Amino acid sequence: ETGVTQSPTHLIKTRGQQVTLRCSSQSGHNTVSWYQQALGQGPQFIFQYYREEENGRGNFPPRFSGLQFPNYSSELNVNALELDDSALYLCASSFGQEQTSQYFGPGTRLLVL
Amino acid sequence: AQSVTQLGSHVSVSEGALVLLRCNYSSSVPPYLFWYVQYPNQGLQLLLKYTSAATLVKGINGFEAEFKKSETSFHLTKPSAHMSDAAEYFCAVSRGSQGNLIFGKGTKLSVKP
Repeated sequence: ETGVTQSPTHLIKTRGQQVTLRCSSQSGHNTVSWYQQALGQGPQFIFQYYREEENGRGNFPPRFSGLQFPNYSSELNVNALELDDSALYLCASSFGQEQTSQYFGPGTRLLVL
Repeated sequence: AQSVTQLGSHVSVSEGALVLLRCNYSSSVPPYLFWYVQYPNQGLQLLLKYTSAATLVKGINGFEAEFKKSETSFHLTKPSAHMSDAAEYFCAVSRGSQGNLIFGKGTKLSVKP
């Protein structure tokens, strides 16, 4: 059974650019949630995808968008990058919509210059 | 609205001493509560969770937490600290099983030899 994987591990972008982060969910899981963890802070919920549909969204602007594919892997896209988007982006997978059994990936560290 | 407050951004204990990490929550509905651990440059690992069953919850690595509704607390304890416990710990709350996770700011635990 493979765990949650994320790519890339690190990324450097400049302000105004666009970025795509990827997440492969754990085998058997059909739900993916994305979190942003700024330095020194706890993770903040961005959105969740369940069976390829967005199923809940946190307080993030529309330039944060996502996709979930038929194999339940997921992408997080961020347009018009801002300096404050620099953070660790965490992906968590689970089965169904319950949050009680989320498994987190190692994260992608994004630096915006 | 739900929120989590972790008292103490940094806790230092000696190896073999009691570990106590404090978490208070605010929730308008019966909460589900979680403790996660994050080692440097890694994602989050679930230590334990409270989902309205027994108020004393035992987790991995010898950690446990007690849900106290009257005090709106869910403090994490371990009788004897080990060097390998040095990490950052996050308390989180969700609105039942299907609400998104809301994290505290984290407590960094240092263990002195």
